[in-house]
Amino acid sequence: QIELVQSAPEVKKPGASVNVSCKTSGYTFSYYGISWVRQAPGQGLEWMGWINPFNGDTAYAQEFQGRVTMTTDPSTRSAYMELRGLKSGDTAVYYCARVTLVRGPESFWGQGTLVTVSS
Amino acid sequence: DIQMTQSPSSLSASVGDRVTITCRASQSVDNYVNWYQQKPGKAPELLIYTTSNLQSGVPSRFSGGGSGTDFTLTISSLQPEDFATYFCHQSDSTPRTFGGGTRLDIK
Repeated sequence: QIELVQSAPEVKKPGASVNVSCKTSGYTFSYYGISWVRQAPGQGLEWMGWINPFNGDTAYAQEFQGRVTMTTDPSTRSAYMELRGLKSGDTAVYYCARVTLVRGPESFWGQGTLVTVSS
Repeated sequence: DIQMTQSPSSLSASVGDRVTITCRASQSVDNYVNWYQQKPGKAPELLIYTTSNLQSGVPSRFSGGGSGTDFTLTISSLQPEDFATYFCHQSDSTPRTFGGGTRLDIK
């Protein structure tokens, strides 16, 4: 079955960076993109961007441009999201999701990784 | 960016009720609207994609409709496990955007 398993919760200080991983199984990794979506406590869903594992192409939401980098490692079927310059407002659950590129939905999601930014 | 305006933001209903949630896009999204259900502490789950297509394994009491800029999610007969938060989402263009959510709870 299709699974996306994310890394453990993180606690970071303001200004630090965080790297969240997403290990996939159950499908051909290069056939689908990986989106990253975050959800602040008690809030809605915010799309951060995505990556095409086939060619490494990325698209980031304007809000995160210059502060986020999304990568993949096809050898381990894993995706990674690095967010730099953390602020308290970045405290959220970060999700990876498999996405059918070219207008498809985010159809399968990881369990989420809570990132807490606190001094 | 395309704004997705969802209503109502909260809704109280009873088991067996029929409920409809609406979502309006700020511009045409060419029917690339998806709906997700989220329960507390869990990741969202895809219910409906491209306006009206039921994701595999989702009960048939869920249905989606609409076109252009106005879309709906309908639950024909609420079951206890349906009390959750629902989000609409457009995948027509980047940045992809979500509605603000509808919290559905038991009356």
